[in-house]
Formats: sequence, structure tokens, C-alpha cells
Amino acid sequence: DQQVKQNSPSLSVQEGRISILNCDYTNSMFDYFLWYKKYPAEGPTFLISISSIKDKNEDGRFTVFLNKSAKHLSLHIVPSQPGDSAVYFCAASPSGYSTLTFGKGTMLLVSP
Amino acid sequence: DAGVIQSPRHEVTEMGQEVTLRCKPISGHDYLFWYRQTMMRGLELLIYFNNNVPIDDSGMPEDRFSAKMPNASFSTLKIQPSEPRDSAVYFCASSLREKLFFGSGTQLSVL
Repeated sequence: DQQVKQNSPSLSVQEGRISILNCDYTNSMFDYFLWYKKYPAEGPTFLISISSIKDKNEDGRFTVFLNKSAKHLSLHIVPSQPGDSAVYFCAASPSGYSTLTFGKGTMLLVSP
Repeated sequence: DAGVIQSPRHEVTEMGQEVTLRCKPISGHDYLFWYRQTMMRGLELLIYFNNNVPIDDSGMPEDRFSAKMPNASFSTLKIQPSEPRDSAVYFCASSLREKLFFGSGTQLSVL
């Protein structure tokens, strides 16, 4: 049973537009959420995180939104750039020091 | 810092052979994780260590898989005997707090 779900395997966006990647979770004990980005032949790298005491966290072009009641989070990239093309993994943890449960990932393709 | 270092980057072996994957975590990190990535299951946690002690190995698929961390700077994941369904990318990651730092992975192909 997948506790972290990324229902869109892929997403295509034009350069300059907004990319929205979605993630749903089922475990109500999760209270810390992260997004990782992965380029081909490389390991995932940390992108941005949010704890359950917040509903939004922003870092440059990247913003993560958390809706606890819906058990849903999303990553917004504005504006999208071709270099953002990668696989994005959503991850969740019951606390900041516990193991992470990852979704299957969404492949984002930003075309010029 | 060089980051998490994994070796080899690619491994091709025949069914039944022993495979050993290696990992050097970031110095000072006290957690080490082994993940496996496949198309079907995404990133799965296999096992993790805290201060060189295995904490949770419930993700290890079978007894054919074993992992060790003899010291703070080295860990191995061994598959014996290997099977074609073990083909995947295996990632090692280390952390000090909640953010994991991943190695580049080992692409394993079992023929």
C-alpha cells in the first residue's frame, strides 16, 4: 500500500509557464514533507521541504503548499526553465528524524 | 566534501553470482540508508543504520540481501545469489538531520 502517491507519472510544460506537481499521502502521522529532484544518472537531491505547522514554504522559483486536511501537497515552479526537466520525488516522514517514504516520482519536461 | 560515494557505478553480472555494492557516507553523518529504485515501485527503503547499527531492515526483500556497516565511513549491500529481478538502481544516502544526501547510485543488471 503506497503511503505517498504521485499520480502523474509525467508532466510537460512550456518554458516560462508554471509547473505544478502534486502529491497525496495517506498516513496521518506524516508531519514533514520534502521534494527531491533527480537528473538521469545522478542521485536525488534535496529541493525544498515543509513541516506540518506551515501551509506554504517558498524558495526562489519553488513553492511547496501543504493542505493537511486533504493530505495533499504540491510543488509550484514559476517560471519553469528547461533545466528544471527532471524527475521530482515527493517524500514524507512522521518526524524530522525518521525515515522518508517516497512517492514514485513525476517526470517533468520543460520545453523551450 | 565529496558527497556520498558509491561504487561501482555500473555492475553487470550473471544470475547466481554474488554482488557487493559499496558506499562511503558523508563524514559526520550518523544515519546511512540503502534505497532501491525501480520503475514499478519507485524508491524503496531497504535498510538503514544509525551510528553504524542497523535499525530497520524490514525493507530487505529476501534473505539473499544483507547489509553491513563496519565503521562510520563504509557500508556494503550484498546480494547472494543475485537474480534478474534484482536489476535496479541502488542508492546509498546519509544524513545528519532530516535531509538525505544521496550518492549517484549503482546500476545493477543481473542477466
